[in-house]
Amino acid sequence: QKEVEQNSGPLSVPEGAIASLNCTYSDRGSQSFFWYRQYSGKSPELIMFIYSNGDKEDGRFTAQLNKASQYVSLLIRDSQPSDSATYLCAVNGGAQKLVFGQGTRLTINP
Amino acid sequence: EAQVTQNPRYLITVTGKKLTVTCSQNMNHEYMSWYRQDPGLGLRQIYYSMNVEVTDKGDVPEGYKVSRKEKRNFPLILESPSPNQTSLYFCASSVGSGLTEQYFGPGTRLTVT
Repeated sequence: QKEVEQNSGPLSVPEGAIASLNCTYSDRGSQSFFWYRQYSGKSPELIMFIYSNGDKEDGRFTAQLNKASQYVSLLIRDSQPSDSATYLCAVNGGAQKLVFGQGTRLTINP
Repeated sequence: EAQVTQNPRYLITVTGKKLTVTCSQNMNHEYMSWYRQDPGLGLRQIYYSMNVEVTDKGDVPEGYKVSRKEKRNFPLILESPSPNQTSLYFCASSVGSGLTEQYFGPGTRLTVT
């Protein structure tokens, strides 16, 4: 069973600080990695994906991938209260099947 | 407006009564998928479809059926629902199998008594 692990939180971060969300995965053959954001009562929305080792930046969001350590993270700079949500890590190990972690609940405190 | 729609949004039913949850997308996406979301278990993939008449099992396919007769529609069928299928269900579509642009529907909350 391919697994994706996240700390369920809640993770509490003061407004303006950097929020760091982490995810580990078990399948070394995994090829693509995704971060989704889900507000309470809403559906998930894709915020970033990453394929290659290293960092990928998009505005205040940075995804980091380390395939050797089987680790992917999401950094949110200058955190805003509107960033308060559950963040889901997902991994595509091939065959177009997507495996999600449990999600980390993030709260940004004004 | 580009969107994925699901119907019904809420459903309460009884054990054994067949039901269908519809899913439709207007983005001409090839890839569609069904997930269920349960507290503590996260999102789990039930079935996915790469294109018309091409479907495959996800991680939790037991008790579910799907069909893909048209590109835009991907219904989820529960032939004989049981209480352990009480869950929040999401349909999603993506322009391709890379899943870099996967859009989720609004969700269907199903309760089986």
